[in-house]
Amino acid sequence: ILNVEQSPQSLHVQEGDSTNFTCSFPSSNFYALHWYRWETAKSPEALFVMTLNGDEKKKGRISATLNTKEGYSYLYIKGSQPEDSATYLCAFGGFKTIFGAGTRLFVKA
Amino acid sequence: GAGVSQSPRYKVAKRGQDVALRCDPISGHVSLFWYQQALGQGPEFLTYFQNEAQLDKSGLPSDRFFAERPEGSVSTLKIQRTQQEDSAVYLCASNDGGSGANVLTFGAGSRLTVL
Repeated sequence: ILNVEQSPQSLHVQEGDSTNFTCSFPSSNFYALHWYRWETAKSPEALFVMTLNGDEKKKGRISATLNTKEGYSYLYIKGSQPEDSATYLCAFGGFKTIFGAGTRLFVKA
Repeated sequence: GAGVSQSPRYKVAKRGQDVALRCDPISGHVSLFWYQQALGQGPEFLTYFQNEAQLDKSGLPSDRFFAERPEGSVSTLKIQRTQQEDSAVYLCASNDGGSGANVLTFGAGSRLTVL
């Protein structure tokens, strides 16, 4: 059974703090790794998709890295803002995407 | 449409009732997916359509769950004789089927509570 693990489950930070969370996934039969952001009462929104070992993606203050050989990805947020408060979902695979349980981020002003 | 639209956003059902959840994907998107997200867990795959064909329904938890997409656009997820364990957020997602990495555009979900 393929499993995607995310840690921590939740995180409380102050505005301006930088933070990072982890996604672990099976290192065999790698296809793609996705990060989604899900704000309360909204739709999950794709942040990044990464397919190659060593990939690094960046969007504004958010960046992600990928290590397919050891089966992990990190998501970094630099200088957290209250609007970054959301659940960050990691997902692994192709058409039958397997999601982790998410990291819930709370940024306090 | 501009995005993936789901209705109803919230549904409360008594145990044993039948419910129908609707998904209106982005116009032209051939692939449509249903996911179930129980409290504290990540979304779990239920079923996948390519146009009107249901290519994978391996995630449907029981024969009380049924999904259709008769004209290859709008899809309905039907749950018969609802049970308390069916309480969850049901997410619909679509894409144009052309991206190998399968990036999904999600709706906001339908939250089902079974009493």
